[in-house]
Amino acid sequence: SQTIHQWPATLVQPVGSPLSLECTVEGTSNPNLYWYRQAAGRGLQLLFYSVGIGQISSEVPQNLSASRPQDRQFILSSKKLLLSDSGFYLCAWSPAVWGSNQPQHFGDGTRLSIL
Amino acid sequence: SQKIEQNSEALNIQEGKTATLTCNYTNYSPAYLQWYRQDPGRGPVFLLLIRENEKEKRKERLKVTFDTTLKQSLFHITASQPADSATYLCALPDSWGKFQFGAGTQVVVTP
Repeated sequence: SQTIHQWPATLVQPVGSPLSLECTVEGTSNPNLYWYRQAAGRGLQLLFYSVGIGQISSEVPQNLSASRPQDRQFILSSKKLLLSDSGFYLCAWSPAVWGSNQPQHFGDGTRLSIL
Repeated sequence: SQKIEQNSEALNIQEGKTATLTCNYTNYSPAYLQWYRQDPGRGPVFLLLIRENEKEKRKERLKVTFDTTLKQSLFHITASQPADSATYLCALPDSWGKFQFGAGTQVVVTP
């Protein structure tokens, strides 16, 4: 069966520090991968998605970036965190049939607090 | 622009009753719609998908309807239980196949 792992579960970082959040998927090949941010009481905001190794699409301009160095690994990074980067970050995957009705499968998220 | 609206107020309901949640959308013509459940501090979990040509879909105590004329989906939890307490999100695909999620409605089922 497929599983998705996301870490760390919580993270407290000072303003201006770098960031690296990692997500890995097991049990499937060539998945579509997604990074979302969820602010309190708000919906999921899609940040990045990837349909293959090295292929990253950005949805919103920001000081975050994403990379996909391996088929089932998705990394969210920042060189310098801002206070506004605080939030709940979720990684998700879906089968590689773009535009299909396949559900997305989410990790358990990282709660990021910027001080 | 495309917009999804879910009731932001929590729905408090007594155990055994039916909870009904609403998902309204504008500027969409989705071929399908999905519902997810999210528990505090966890990622959303997929529950149900309903296609535009399906009026109703059921899964155990869950029922979803989809009215493309009203641009609305209703999500029902029948015989609700305290374990059903969670936030429920609807999601629609945009023109490029990516998903837009509603903000979710929190359901609180009291014994």
